[in-house]
Amino acid sequence: DVKVTQSSRYLVKRTGEKVFLECVQDMDHENMFWYRQDPGLGLRLIYFSYDVKMKEKGDIPEGYSVSREKKERFSLILESASTNQTSMYLCASSLHDFNSPLHFGNGTRLTVT
Amino acid sequence: AQSVTQLDSHVSVSEGTPVLLRCNYSSSYSPSLFWYVQHPNKGLQLLLKYTSAATLVKGINGFEAEFKKSETSFHLTKPSAHMSDAAEYFCVVSENTGRRALTFGSGTRLQVQP
Repeated sequence: DVKVTQSSRYLVKRTGEKVFLECVQDMDHENMFWYRQDPGLGLRLIYFSYDVKMKEKGDIPEGYSVSREKKERFSLILESASTNQTSMYLCASSLHDFNSPLHFGNGTRLTVT
Repeated sequence: AQSVTQLDSHVSVSEGTPVLLRCNYSSSYSPSLFWYVQHPNKGLQLLLKYTSAATLVKGINGFEAEFKKSETSFHLTKPSAHMSDAAEYFCVVSENTGRRALTFGSGTRLQVQP
């Protein structure tokens, strides 16, 4: 069974801090994604990656960057955290085929104070 | 451009009664459509998917959905609700353009009353 592991379940950070959210998948998936989930807005795509060192902006990339140095790991970076980045962050992975399902981690709930 | 609208933000049913969660989509291409479920404090899990084969799609846990192109709908149904079905459900559209550009609906929270 595919496992997508997000390193932290809960994080509390201060405004202006640099924040790293880590995600690891164990099924050799080509695609990896970062979403944020807010009530009433569903999931919004921040960044995704088709391969190592490749990344593409999603719908809401402002204030975020990503890193994919190894196929199994996809990191989301908040360069200078702000209170409007308080949210649930979900990582997902999938095979390259666009009809293959997404496999999600359990999420990281980030609070920026 | 693609979009998806989940017509109800909350649905409440009694255990043993049918479930209907409504989803309408808009797409410039022949889309793939998915339903995902999210239980409290968990990530999302795929319930079922439509990829231009049979229009009636069966998923896990007794759920099914019917693709209706003329109505641009992909409603999720289950004949008899169980307490364990209480969760949030997301309808998702993919335009199959080669770029993996999924669009999620805003979600429907299903409550199941005993």
